[in-house]
Amino acid sequence: AQSVTQLDSHVSVSEGTPVLLRCNYSSSYSPSLFWYVQHPNKGLQLLLKYTSAATLVKGINGFEAEFKKSETSFHLTKPSAHMSDAAEYFCVVSVGTSYGKLTFGQGTILTVHP
Amino acid sequence: GAVVSQHPSWVICKSGTSVKIECRSLDFQATTMFWYRQFPKQSLMLMATSNEGSKATYEQGVEKDKFLINHASLTLSTLTVTSAHPEDSSFYICSAPTSKRGGRFRGEQFFGPGTRLTVL
Repeated sequence: AQSVTQLDSHVSVSEGTPVLLRCNYSSSYSPSLFWYVQHPNKGLQLLLKYTSAATLVKGINGFEAEFKKSETSFHLTKPSAHMSDAAEYFCVVSVGTSYGKLTFGQGTILTVHP
Repeated sequence: GAVVSQHPSWVICKSGTSVKIECRSLDFQATTMFWYRQFPKQSLMLMATSNEGSKATYEQGVEKDKFLINHASLTLSTLTVTSAHPEDSSFYICSAPTSKRGGRFRGEQFFGPGTRLTVL
């Protein structure tokens, strides 16, 4: 079975400062890892995904994440926060044999202050 | 990217009634769709896997007689909450993967915008 732990339920940053959202995973098999963002009253949007290719993954809107197998981590970063980044972020794991079933982390609410 | 729609976006019903939620893939065919439930301020929990042409697969602890799933076509799956009670009030979200090779899903899943159900 796989699981995901997002280490912070809330993260607050100032506009223009770096963003770090932390995620650790547990999986018996080689995982696929994703970060999704959920804005209020909108559907989940994929930011980026890791599927056993390059360990540093670049996504949309300047976000990137690094897969570190030794640390079982997949932290999401952005060099400079924008007000529009305020949303809830989910770290998600999928295992190939689960045929696409996703396991979600608890979510991290990102607040961006002017 | 691919688009998944849900209808209705929100519904209020009386306790004891049934509510049907539709999930459609608008520009691609989805032989499989997934249904999730999200309680306020909590994460998404997978409820069931909807399979076109066969029975849905339910996750442990999900009552299949209460949450009826029908995958009517390659673009439509429905979730019916039967005899709804206030504790069924939640945000229901569907998703559909767009690619499948060798029996494994790869790439991205697209999510619907969700349906907020309130049972009075």
